[in-house]
Amino acid sequence: GQNIDQPTEMTATEGAIVQINCTYQTSGFNGLFWYQQHAGEAPTFLSYNVLDGLEEKGRFSSFLSRSKGYSYLLLKELQMKDSASYLCAVRDAWNSGNTPLVFGKGTRLSVIA
Amino acid sequence: DAMVIQNPRYQVTQFGKPVTLSCSQTLNHNVMYWYQQKSSQAPKLLFHYYDKDFNNEADTPDNFQSRRPNTSFCFLDIRSPGLGDAAMYLCATSRGSGEETQYFGPGTRLLVL
Repeated sequence: GQNIDQPTEMTATEGAIVQINCTYQTSGFNGLFWYQQHAGEAPTFLSYNVLDGLEEKGRFSSFLSRSKGYSYLLLKELQMKDSASYLCAVRDAWNSGNTPLVFGKGTRLSVIA
Repeated sequence: DAMVIQNPRYQVTQFGKPVTLSCSQTLNHNVMYWYQQKSSQAPKLLFHYYDKDFNNEADTPDNFQSRRPNTSFCFLDIRSPGLGDAAMYLCATSRGSGEETQYFGPGTRLLVL
């Protein structure tokens, strides 16, 4: 089966750092994605991990441990505009060009002053 | 700019009245996806096309159909919308090889009266 777990909600203060965790159980693994989704809008791509380790992109970093079925998204220097849902998604097949993603339910992050 | 376009952004229909949602892309991607997303839930894949090859998810209701007349366009037809079909419908595309980042359109919010 497929299961992706992430916290439902988180709150953090402007200027702080927040870590959003994601654990997954899938039959295969061929990459993990993080998307940001503002209310009423489409998801936008943030990061992609397929190998273990940390990928850094400006204020956003994403980490993957395949052996643990675990990833996190790290947001630094939080801004009010970072208030959004953050979706973890896994591609659960090997070397397949068109395997769809399996999405978690998303973590709703609220940034407060 | 290369992009994924969805029309209309908001669609109101009556219970049982057929409705068609459209998606177009200028990315020249091979794969196009349709997702249904209800409030505070993960996007749920309905079906996807790899070029002209249609892939239907096992739990997608028969009420939902799709057409892809060419590379650029893909349509979602809901033959007899029910109240439970009110949702955001997201179209996404991907290259169809390798990394498989999906790029989403802005979505169409469907309201069924």
